[in-house]
Amino acid sequence: DTAVSQTPKYLVTQMGNDKSIKCEQNLGHDTMYWYKQDSKKFLKIMFSYNNKELIINETVPNRFSPKSPDKAHLNLHINSLELGDSAVYFCASSQDRTRGQETQYFGPGTRLLVL
Amino acid sequence: GEDVEQSLFLSVREGDSSVINCTYTDSSSTYLYWYKQEPGAGLQLLTYIFSNMDMKQDQRLTVLLNKKDKHLSLRIADTQTGDSAIYFCAESLWTDKLIFGTGTRLQVFP
Repeated sequence: DTAVSQTPKYLVTQMGNDKSIKCEQNLGHDTMYWYKQDSKKFLKIMFSYNNKELIINETVPNRFSPKSPDKAHLNLHINSLELGDSAVYFCASSQDRTRGQETQYFGPGTRLLVL
Repeated sequence: GEDVEQSLFLSVREGDSSVINCTYTDSSSTYLYWYKQEPGAGLQLLTYIFSNMDMKQDQRLTVLLNKKDKHLSLRIADTQTGDSAIYFCAESLWTDKLIFGTGTRLQVFP
């Protein structure tokens, strides 16, 4: 009965590899997000999708490509991983895009370590 | 600009009240949130307040908003060891995204 789930929970990989993180929400929400939390615990938004359409794309290297096969899923694919990509990546979802009135619910996070 | 600031650490004795402060710069924020992050876990929404409210109380939690000073606080009454965590404030802008504060690590000691 998990609301927002992410896989894998932990990901350890070598520099230069390509990896994907998956996110699924069973809340029936329209909007999904990816956030990055760095080693200092600072959280920054990366992307948001509404009904499979890209809405927010912050300044993120184009090695990061989100993909939304349907509105319940938002996956994050990362090409040519770099050491600086090591972080915790959080997925979130919210009910709708009514401006500023949505509450975002977060997944448990995926801890990525690039060696 | 978009900037949300919090003090990094707060240490309190069990049973005392904790007050975590947050300042933000963008006056167009609509909702302001408090999230809790326990060690190794994801973010848990604690409470939120609409920007035209001054105060919201929810059991042991009291949120105070001073919109003129762009200052938000979270008071936890009767703080318990289980409240030890990192607390993030966040503001919701008209662009749908949340801008998070730097997080305050709350440590509760017996």
